[in-house]
Amino acid sequence: DAGVIQSPRHEVTEMGQEVTLRCKPISGHNSLFWYRQTMMRGLELLIYFNNNVPIDDSGMPEDRFSAKMPNASFSTLKIQPSEPRDSAVYFCASSTGDEVVELFFGEGSRLTVL
Amino acid sequence: AQKVTQAQTEISVVEKEDVTLDCVYETRDTTYYLFWYKQPPSGELVFLIRRNSFDEQNEISGRYSWNFQKSTSSFNFTITASQVVDSAVYFCALSERGTSYGKLTFGQGTILTVHP
Repeated sequence: DAGVIQSPRHEVTEMGQEVTLRCKPISGHNSLFWYRQTMMRGLELLIYFNNNVPIDDSGMPEDRFSAKMPNASFSTLKIQPSEPRDSAVYFCASSTGDEVVELFFGEGSRLTVL
Repeated sequence: AQKVTQAQTEISVVEKEDVTLDCVYETRDTTYYLFWYKQPPSGELVFLIRRNSFDEQNEISGRYSWNFQKSTSSFNFTITASQVVDSAVYFCALSERGTSYGKLTFGQGTILTVHP
């Protein structure tokens, strides 16, 4: 069975450019999460969706960040304009959304903003 | 607010030694879940265990064991007879009832290095 699929795995861009990270959750999972990992802040939740609806975006750092989930099999995290401090590994995770859940993580997208 | 503390930033052991990774959590909820994840050098996050707040039984899975003590708000992880392949960053995490259970609060992680 395919796990959570993220693309791109690595992205290097220049400050001010738009960055779009993509995620395909595991089929049948109805919750999707975007996490960010940095050395300074560790793993932090940015936003999560349940049945394609954003439930909590309180972790989104600022208006430059936006996330969408147009259907059950696809989500995007967009940063516009990007800044060097956005450099991090961005993980997407999905779960069944049941009360007792295990989060399945993708392999992450490593973003470097120069 | 919930919080997870992994006081050990880095641990270094020699192969075959036992090692315990500490995790202390804070929550106001009486119903919650605790997790351990492993992040090997390749970078992915691998689920190891989930424990709910009503089940204080210790668990053993092969060389791995977990000690959950509500009285001290701790959920420690022990690797017996460590191997080089155990080298990774290990994260403890907490999720509370009333939120999505995928909304995990992670500790800062413990870097475990097992030397041959």
